Amino acid sequence: AQSVTQLDSQVPVFEEAPVELRCNYSSSVSVYLFWYVQYPNQGLQLLLKYLSGSTLVESINGFEAEFNKSQTSFHLRKPSVHISDTAEYFCAVTKASGTYKYIFGTGTRLKVLA
Amino acid sequence: NAGVTQTPKFQVLKTGQSMTLQCAQDMNHNSMYWYRQDPGMGLRLIYYSASEGTTDKGEVPNGYNVSRLNKREFSLRLESAAPSQTSVYFCASSEPGRGELETQYFGPGTRLLVL
Repeated sequence: AQSVTQLDSQVPVFEEAPVELRCNYSSSVSVYLFWYVQYPNQGLQLLLKYLSGSTLVESINGFEAEFNKSQTSFHLRKPSVHISDTAEYFCAVTKASGTYKYIFGTGTRLKVLA
Repeated sequence: NAGVTQTPKFQVLKTGQSMTLQCAQDMNHNSMYWYRQDPGMGLRLIYYSASEGTTDKGEVPNGYNVSRLNKREFSLRLESAAPSQTSVYFCASSEPGRGELETQYFGPGTRLLVL
């Protein structure tokens, strides 16, 4: 079975500062990894994903995440955050064999301060 | 193309009342899901439907039933609501095994309060 751990429940950071949101996973088989973002009172939206190939994946709004198989991690980073990045971020994992269940982490609430 | 839609957006129930949450998707996805979101617990899978005509229990199915009405629609029913079912409910759909298209698409959520 797969599992996901997001160690930080809340991360406050000043605007224009860098941020890293941590995600570790556990699985005995190959996995796909995802980061979803949830803005207040909205559903989840896909931010970026790792399926195969390059271990560094990027989103259109400046976030990036690196798949590290040896450390079983998929940390999310942004070099300079904006107020508009304030949201909750969820890491998720699913088996790469095209199964049906996604396992979500407990979420990290990013608060960007002016 | 509306994606995943859910009704109602908000609902207040008294303990013991029943209700059905509706979900529909227009992306021709085979798989659909119901999650609940509670503070500090992330999203937990209640039920899922891998394809039309099939449903399976997820992590927290007790107190819920589901119906995959057709390929588009997947409803969640609370037969006798309890305060512990106060939560935000999300429906999602996906098409597993499609490589670069692999992802889940979420509805806007239903906020349920059980008194």
